[in-house]
Amino acid sequence: DIQMTQSPSSLSASVGDRVTITCRASQSISTYLNWYQQKPGRAPKLLIYAASILQSGVPSRFSGSGSGTDFTLTISSLQPEDFATYFCQQSYSTLWTFGQGTKVEIK
Amino acid sequence: QLQLQESGSGLVKPSQTLSLTCAVSGGSISSGGYSWSWIRQPPGKGLEWIGYIYHSGSTYYNPSLMSRVTMSVDSSKNQFSLNLSSVTAADTAVYYCARDGKGYSSSSGRGGYYYMDVWGKGTTVTVSS
Repeated sequence: DIQMTQSPSSLSASVGDRVTITCRASQSISTYLNWYQQKPGRAPKLLIYAASILQSGVPSRFSGSGSGTDFTLTISSLQPEDFATYFCQQSYSTLWTFGQGTKVEIK
Repeated sequence: QLQLQESGSGLVKPSQTLSLTCAVSGGSISSGGYSWSWIRQPPGKGLEWIGYIYHSGSTYYNPSLMSRVTMSVDSSKNQFSLNLSSVTAADTAVYYCARDGKGYSSSSGRGGYYYMDVWGKGTTVTVSS
């Protein structure tokens, strides 16, 4: 299995802050990396696929980068609606796996 | 607009079989060549991908659950289903169904990018006697 490790597990930030979340794969996954946002009691929502392609309708303050084993999700200016948990997920192997999640909380 | 809705047994006794259905509306399960996934999330924990099925019936299951999982599709009803046998308390979770979108990246010049782009709202399944 390809293990996905996110850091940090949680972070506190203020509205307007620039936030960066990292996801590391246990082996190279090229750019087969997706990012999701999940709010409490809600289903996950796709933000970014192929490491850097913004899903339709997702605000441009979200961006993704990386290839191989190291990936980053950046929120350029945190908004109140962005407080949520973020998951990375690889689709490189036939067994799709998720990171453990990063919870973004209000400072 | 494509929508997915999970339904099924909310309370299952240990050792019995969990059965869920995902109804697809706003589009046909048979069009577009998509696969359809099941994902679960134990209380307060992360996401676990269970597997996917194509409208043809072709499947791929997570090896950790393979011995207990069966997925099926009913194109006439525009729905797909999940059965998980011999459940234990560890199977207590919110279960989601999702469509597996597929994309192409102009920057890499490659396709075959898969992602879960439409999700149901989820249904809670509790395993308890």
